[in-house]
Amino acid sequence: ELKVEQNPLFLSMQEGKNYTIYCNYSTTSDRLYWYRQDPGKSLESLFVLLSNGAVKQEGRLMASLDTKARLSTLHITAAVHDLSATYFCAVDSNYQLIWGAGTKLIIKP
Amino acid sequence: EAGVAQSPRYKIIEKRQSVAFWCNPISGHATLYWYQQILGQGPKLLIQFQNNGVVDDSQLPKDRFSAERLKGVDSTLKIQPAKLEDSAVYLCASSPRLTSGRMSNEQFFGPGTRLTVL
Repeated sequence: ELKVEQNPLFLSMQEGKNYTIYCNYSTTSDRLYWYRQDPGKSLESLFVLLSNGAVKQEGRLMASLDTKARLSTLHITAAVHDLSATYFCAVDSNYQLIWGAGTKLIIKP
Repeated sequence: EAGVAQSPRYKIIEKRQSVAFWCNPISGHATLYWYQQILGQGPKLLIQFQNNGVVDDSQLPKDRFSAERLKGVDSTLKIQPAKLEDSAVYLCASSPRLTSGRMSNEQFFGPGTRLTVL
């Protein structure tokens, strides 16, 4: 059974700081997705990573995928309050997405 | 392009009552998913359709939950009878088609239906 583990599950940080969220998974997959969820809202797609070494960047967020290590990272650079949300990674396996538990990120002004 | 539509947005019922949720996916999307998301957790897949056929319903509690996608477009999810533990947000998502290799199975989500069972 494929397992997806995110850490940390909760992160409180100051504006302007850098941090990384980790997503580990337990079986072979070359496709991984990152989503954002604001409180009371639905899931918004952030990044689609489709191969080993893939790197995508949007604003202060950068995601990467290492399929050999079965690891994806979501790096936040110079955090701002607007990035406060819950971030989920999801691994593509047998035409389904297997979801991590989410990382709740709070960025304090 | 219109996104995934869901209704109702909120529903409050008493335990043992019935409830139904409706989803209209993005036009042309062959694959439709229903998820249950309990507060503080990630989404849990309930059922996956490809056109009007079921791809996976292994996590659907079939004694009380049912879903259909008769014409391969809209879908309904029903709970009968509801239990307290069914309180959750029910999310519908769609994707263009199931792909392998270097193609994306990115899913697009609707706003969700928040169900409260009293």
